[in-house]
Amino acid sequence: EAAVTQSPRSKVAVTGGKVTLSCHQTNNHDYMYWYRQDTGHGLRLIHYSYVADSTEKGDIPDGYKASRPSQENFSLILELASLSQTAVYFCASSDATDREMGENTLYFGAGTRLSVL
Amino acid sequence: AQSVTQPDARVTVSEGASLQLRCKYSSSGTPYLFWYVQYPRQGLQLLLKYYSGDPVVQGVNGFEAEFSKSNSSFHLRKASVHWSDSAVYFCVLSGFMLSGSFNKLTFGAGTRLAVCP
Repeated sequence: EAAVTQSPRSKVAVTGGKVTLSCHQTNNHDYMYWYRQDTGHGLRLIHYSYVADSTEKGDIPDGYKASRPSQENFSLILELASLSQTAVYFCASSDATDREMGENTLYFGAGTRLSVL
Repeated sequence: AQSVTQPDARVTVSEGASLQLRCKYSSSGTPYLFWYVQYPRQGLQLLLKYYSGDPVVQGVNGFEAEFSKSNSSFHLRKASVHWSDSAVYFCVLSGFMLSGSFNKLTFGAGTRLAVCP
């Protein structure tokens, strides 16, 4: 069974609308991440969280908010969606001990394809 | 600052041929290096990782990678590819931010591998 589940798998949103992407993990991992993938580019970190009720900014946080209501759930929120936010979004989790040792293996969801029109 | 360069955006090989996907990295500290694979409509999955020891590391499905500190490289290889290896391959570098407080992952742009019958 998939240990990191994202919903929806795809979404079409209108410019200026609100979009919420959800992620659920059953890995019992402390760390969760939201990445954005654009064609021809590697993944870029938007937000991450290492404990429930706390989130941290990644490399490209502008225009995005995140919410971690529990260890298992991590949401990405676009309050005012824009054309430039059309991309594939990946959620991932990792184990705190691995991360602190430098290994930081990530376990990814299948992604959400977001199109903003 | 750390960076990862995958110079080949796209590689096409015939089934049964050998494969090398190139990766060059830049890191101020001791790097953790990873190769992830992304199959169509799926999230990224770990192929292999390297931190220290034998510079040749074995991964899943017959993949291996060789670390070279002198060349700042971490090339991925496979002796005989199968059509099912068609995917996008990402080289990833793990390192600490200057503050030492976060284990930052830097993704290469990816190499799309097409295996022809």
